Amino acid sequence: DAGVTQSPTHLIKTRGQQVTLRCSPKSGHDTVSWYQQALGQGPQFIFQYYEEEERQRGNFPDRFSGHQFPNYSSELNVNALLLGDSALYLCASNLGAGATKYGYTFGSGTRLTVV
Amino acid sequence: ILNVEQSPQSLHVQEGDSTNFTCSFPSSNFYALHWYRWETAKSPEALFVMTLNGDEKKKGRISATLNTKEGYSYLYIKGSQPEDSATYLCAFAGGTSYGKLTFGQGTILTVHP
Repeated sequence: DAGVTQSPTHLIKTRGQQVTLRCSPKSGHDTVSWYQQALGQGPQFIFQYYEEEERQRGNFPDRFSGHQFPNYSSELNVNALLLGDSALYLCASNLGAGATKYGYTFGSGTRLTVV
Repeated sequence: ILNVEQSPQSLHVQEGDSTNFTCSFPSSNFYALHWYRWETAKSPEALFVMTLNGDEKKKGRISATLNTKEGYSYLYIKGSQPEDSATYLCAFAGGTSYGKLTFGQGTILTVHP
C-alpha cells in the first residue's frame, strides 16, 4: 500500500518564477495538508484541503495557493518565488478534516531551492 | 500564536542508554498531541497520538506521557539503539484550528554504537 507520494523530490527555481508541487495521499485518505520546513525549524502549516476546498490556512501570503482534485490528490503553487521560499515542502494526508486525533501520513517532501 | 517548544535541541547518547525528551505546549484548548520520528531521507512517521490528560502510550522501547493541565509531554526511549537515531518531533492540535498541527523544532537524537 503506497503511502503519500510527492513530486518532484528536488527542484531549483529562480527568484520571481512560479512552482507547482504535487502530492498523492495515502490510499483511503481524503484530506491533504501542506507544511513548509525551513532549515533548523519544525514544519510550519501552510493549508489543508478537504472536499476540494481549502479548510484551514496558516500564516502564509497569498502567493501560496493550492488545489485538491476529485481523486484527493493535491497541488501546492507558489508564485513570485523569493529566496526565503527555499525549504522542504511536506505533504501529509489523513481521513477527515480536523481529524487530528489520528496520526498523519507524511510524504518524503520536495526540496525547493530558489536562486 | 501557538508556541510548541522541544528540549533538548540535540542529544548524543551511547548505545544502551535510556533517554527522554520534553515537549511543552499551550495548556488551554487542547485537542491532541502527536509524536513523530523522522529518519534522514525518509518521511516523518507517527509514533503516538495522545488526547487525554494522563495518557501513556508505549511502542516497543519507546513510550510517551501527557500532562495537558501543565502543557507538557515526555518521550522516553529505553536502551537506545543506533537505529533510534532520528529527529523526534512533537505537534500540538488545539485552539480554534483542530485540523492544523503546530510542530516544535524537534530533538535530534544520535545514538553512538
